[in-house]
Amino acid sequence: IAGITQAPTSQILAAGRRMTLRCTQDMRHNAMYWYRQDLGLGLRLIHYSNTAGTTGKGEVPDGYSVSRANTDDFPLTLASAVPSQTSVYFCASSDSSQRAFFGQGTRLTVV
Amino acid sequence: DQQVKQNSPSLSVQEGRISILNCDYTNSMFDYFLWYKKYPAEGPTFLISISSIKDKNEDGRFTVFLNKSAKHLSLHIVPSQPGDSAVYFCAARGLSGAGSYQLTFGKGTKLSVIP
Repeated sequence: IAGITQAPTSQILAAGRRMTLRCTQDMRHNAMYWYRQDLGLGLRLIHYSNTAGTTGKGEVPDGYSVSRANTDDFPLTLASAVPSQTSVYFCASSDSSQRAFFGQGTRLTVV
Repeated sequence: DQQVKQNSPSLSVQEGRISILNCDYTNSMFDYFLWYKKYPAEGPTFLISISSIKDKNEDGRFTVFLNKSAKHLSLHIVPSQPGDSAVYFCAARGLSGAGSYQLTFGKGTKLSVIP
């Protein structure tokens, strides 16, 4: 059972480049989320999707976009990366209990 | 404005003793609270939760206490073990402006259990 799979696990990206972080779940959860974790700031919600075909903005959505074409996949795109987007990104999904299940994370460095 | 606060960035406890991690919240509409544990280079994993209609939930060595009047919850780990050393995140569930449930996380407390 894979749960939540994120790719890549880490990436160094030049500023101004476009990047898509991939997230796939095999638990058939309706809700999916993208968080970023920064030292001293905890986990902050970027975007979320309550069900396939719908998305919403979280606490820190600027500079990011998401899509939810199907239940399993929830990619996060940085259209033009900036150094402040250097962070560890976690994808999560949740069942009806609202307990979120997290992926292993993607460590992104924008230089 | 931070709605979920973990005011202690770190905590050190001797093995075998009790670890108490604290969390305060400001939104009285939060109805469900969760604790997550995170090891380095791994994603957070669910540990224990409590509904706002309860004041205590216990699971083995882990107990969560909720004081709604004080808007405070705490996680007790007894006895503490070196494998408990991790960052612990408190999270609270509430309705977003769009009418969907979302989790709001605290900044985390790094627990170090000393052998």
